[in-house]
Amino acid sequence: GAVVSQHPSWVICKSGTSVKIECRSLDFQATTMFWYRQFPKQSLMLMATSNEGSKATYEQGVEKDKFLINHASLTLSTLTVTSAHPEDSSFYICSAINSAGIYEQFFGPGTRLTVL
Amino acid sequence: AQSVTQLGSHVSVSEGALVLLRCNYSSSVPPYLFWYVQYPNQGLQLLLKYTTGATLVKGINGFEAEFKKSETSFHLTKPSAHMSDAAEYFCAVSDASNFGNEKLTFGTGTRLTIIP
Repeated sequence: GAVVSQHPSWVICKSGTSVKIECRSLDFQATTMFWYRQFPKQSLMLMATSNEGSKATYEQGVEKDKFLINHASLTLSTLTVTSAHPEDSSFYICSAINSAGIYEQFFGPGTRLTVL
Repeated sequence: AQSVTQLGSHVSVSEGALVLLRCNYSSSVPPYLFWYVQYPNQGLQLLLKYTTGATLVKGINGFEAEFKKSETSFHLTKPSAHMSDAAEYFCAVSDASNFGNEKLTFGTGTRLTIIP
């Protein structure tokens, strides 16, 4: 149990286009999901906290208009990278907390974004 | 504010030897502590966690860690390394008092290499 999926697993896009990444909790409900960014051979940096039915909370330095987050249901959160540029190329990982859970985040497999 | 320091970005051990990955944390409130493993191009998998109670926690794949409050440490150990243990390991801390919004702060990671 406690499986989190991400789609797509990898995406290549042209500079200036927008890309949407989905994060789904497959077998549990998640009122809270998190979005992380990981540069090659570096740690995970929290980008934002996504709460179902409310606006996401962004970490300092993360552009809200650049990285749009929507958490419309208890099993789905989406991250849209708008007007992507090569510097946005990264590994994006989401995680979800079981609404009945106890201090454990379940991580998705990640999405590798390459912007040409 | 919380922080995590992982000493040694790279650790190499021989197959069958003891694995020791170091983690020190800083937290102004009682922490919850975690160790995650990441294989290439994949998300994170929880190895073990400390919340409350017994300070020696056992996880999957033969790993264990001991919470030492006086040393603010949570080092990860395994008695005998296997080739399959080669991966990136992340230590993380969250705020135990912030129930429902358990943001994780990650260390910079330690890459474990197993020598045949």
